Amino acid sequence: DQQVKQNSPSLSVQEGRISILNCDYTNSMFDYFLWYKKYPAEGPTFLISISSIKDKNEDGRFTVFLNKSAKHLSLHIVPSQPGDSAVYFCAASAKYTGNQFYFGTGTSLTVIP
Amino acid sequence: DGGITQSPKYLFRKEGQNVTLSCEQNLNHDAMYWYRQDPGQGLRLIYYSQIVNDFQKGDIAEGYSVSREKKESFPLTVTSAQKNPTAFYLCASSEDYQETQYFGPGTRLLVL
Repeated sequence: DQQVKQNSPSLSVQEGRISILNCDYTNSMFDYFLWYKKYPAEGPTFLISISSIKDKNEDGRFTVFLNKSAKHLSLHIVPSQPGDSAVYFCAASAKYTGNQFYFGTGTSLTVIP
Repeated sequence: DGGITQSPKYLFRKEGQNVTLSCEQNLNHDAMYWYRQDPGQGLRLIYYSQIVNDFQKGDIAEGYSVSREKKESFPLTVTSAQKNPTAFYLCASSEDYQETQYFGPGTRLLVL
């Protein structure tokens, strides 16, 4: 039972344009969300987080948006750079009830120079 | 230079053999985790430890065992009972349980 879903296995974007990666979740108790970036044969690197008290969090070129009513979050990368090419995972947890993190299956982003 | 180290990078297991994957962190984090990644799947939690001398099963603990005798170390043993051990294994740690997790570089386990 996949509680966190990333329905797009891959995404290609031109350099300089916006990349939008999407993530949906089913558990309405989830209140803390993370995005990770992963290169092949390496561990995931933490990118950005958001808690359910916010609907947006920004860090440089990365912005995460949370729509609690739709149980949907998205990661925007602007402008996209070739070095952003990687697999992006979202993760969610019900932080204040001690629930574990659940990870999506990942979206492979390719930024075309 | 703080971080999480995993060794070895690649590990080969023969049928019926137990193997142990190492995970060490010098971040002074209380919580540590083991995940397994298979192609086309997300990370699945094997075991986690919120504090020294304590650990809990995750979603796919069968065929695995762990210990947490020291704060900085959380080794994972893949036993012969794990029938499909070929995967990429990731160790992570966080300051406290449920805080943001930071990952090691991973160990790829292959069965001969």
